[in-house]
Amino acid sequence: GQNIDQPTEMTATEGAIVQINCTYQTSGFNGLFWYQQHAGEAPTFLSYNVLDGLEEKGRFSSFLSRSKGYSYLLLKELQMKDSASYLCAVREGNDYKLSFGAGTTVTVRA
Amino acid sequence: SAVISQKPSRDICQRGTSLTIQCQVDSQVTMMFWYRQQPGQSLTLIATANQGSEATYESGFVIDKFPISRPNLTFSTLTVSNMSPEDSSIYLCSLTSDSFEQFFGPGTRLTVL
Repeated sequence: GQNIDQPTEMTATEGAIVQINCTYQTSGFNGLFWYQQHAGEAPTFLSYNVLDGLEEKGRFSSFLSRSKGYSYLLLKELQMKDSASYLCAVREGNDYKLSFGAGTTVTVRA
Repeated sequence: SAVISQKPSRDICQRGTSLTIQCQVDSQVTMMFWYRQQPGQSLTLIATANQGSEATYESGFVIDKFPISRPNLTFSTLTVSNMSPEDSSIYLCSLTSDSFEQFFGPGTRLTVL
C-alpha cells in the first residue's frame, strides 16, 4: 500500500505563488496525479507525472522525484478561483487504481 | 477526454433501503472504478468494475454491501445496500483514458437519514 502525505491547509495572497508538497511511500510506483476539487464538486484532473522532472501547464506545474518519493504542485499567479482542495494521488503497479492523500485546502486571499 | 455522467446527482434515503447509482460514459473504456468520498475526507477506492466479470473490491468493501454491475464498456452501476447514516457520502465513478489519465464523473451525493 501507499503512505501519502500532504499539508492540510495553505493560505496565500492573490497573485502570489504557492507550492503544495506531497511525499509518498510505495512499491511499484507507476505515476503521480494532482487533482483540484472545489467544494461540492468532483475532482478535476490537473497533472500526471511518471518520470522525474517538471511538467508545466500554464499557471500550474508539477514536479516529481521518484528517488525521493516526492512531488509538488506549483500554483503561480494565484487567483481567487484557485481556492480549492488539491489532492495528490499515486498509482501503484499496472492496475490503474489510485490511492489519494488527504488533500490540501488552499485559500487565496485578496 | 470522455464525458462521464452519473444518475442520480443526489438523493436522500431512509436507513435500511438501497440505492443504485448509474455511471454512463460516452465512449468505450476499459477501466472503470467506483470511489467514495465521505464528508471532509479524501477519496477511497471501493472497487474496480470489470466488464463481463465480477468487480474487484478493495479491503473493507464487500459485494453484498456494494454490488456492482458492468454490462458493457460504457456503463456501470453501484448499489449501496441496506444503507445506514455512515453511508452518507459522495460516490464517484472514474475511468482511465488511453493516456493513463484518470477522470471522474460529477458524483452522486447521498444522504442517509
